[in-house]
Amino acid sequence: EPEVTQTPSHQVTQMGQEVILRCVPISNHLYFYWYRQILGQKVEFLVSFYNNEISEKSEIFDDQFSVERPDGSNFTLKIRSTKLEDSAMYFCASNGDGYYGYTFGSGTRLTVV
Amino acid sequence: KNQVEQSPQSLIILEGKNCTLQCNYTVSPFSNLRWYKQDTGRGPVSLTIMTFSENTKSNGRYTATLDADTKQSSLHITASQLSDSASYICVVSYQTGANNLFFGTGTRLTVIP
Repeated sequence: EPEVTQTPSHQVTQMGQEVILRCVPISNHLYFYWYRQILGQKVEFLVSFYNNEISEKSEIFDDQFSVERPDGSNFTLKIRSTKLEDSAMYFCASNGDGYYGYTFGSGTRLTVV
Repeated sequence: KNQVEQSPQSLIILEGKNCTLQCNYTVSPFSNLRWYKQDTGRGPVSLTIMTFSENTKSNGRYTATLDADTKQSSLHITASQLSDSASYICVVSYQTGANNLFFGTGTRLTVIP
């Protein structure tokens, strides 16, 4: 069954550093998303991406965050100048029709120290 | 305000027993409701998805019900196995918009031998 692949599975970074989280969505999907889940809390929407541009973003997704689809397969989330409160699991998801078929990756656990 | 509430917050059952998890939502306009299983440190995996016209759907030992009038759903797990230990998340989809998933906080199920 097709999978959404995320790398790395775990990243530790110092406060103030930049991190890039990588995702390879399912190949024929057109809609891409980033979500995050702080330990013990619910999954929160960050951003959606379609047709090479952001289609929607949440209040969490401020100027510190950016997304990019640098080639035909990768979808990245960049966090500039990380803060302690950015520590969370970050999930990438993709969707073929923008509606039903969401598939989530296994996540990247980001720890900011 | 669009919200998804789940109960109980956590549940411990003996292997082989059945259990039922509850989800109440206020998302409107309603499109569909999904149940996901999330193993610790992993991404959510879809179990069932129901539109407003469906009131029950099964996936193996998992059976979801939906009452769109009362805005309630349940997930029934039959003959539980140790591998069922996970968080079960109810996710309700909004009818429009790229960010159309509202996540519940989940029920943490532990199956003990």
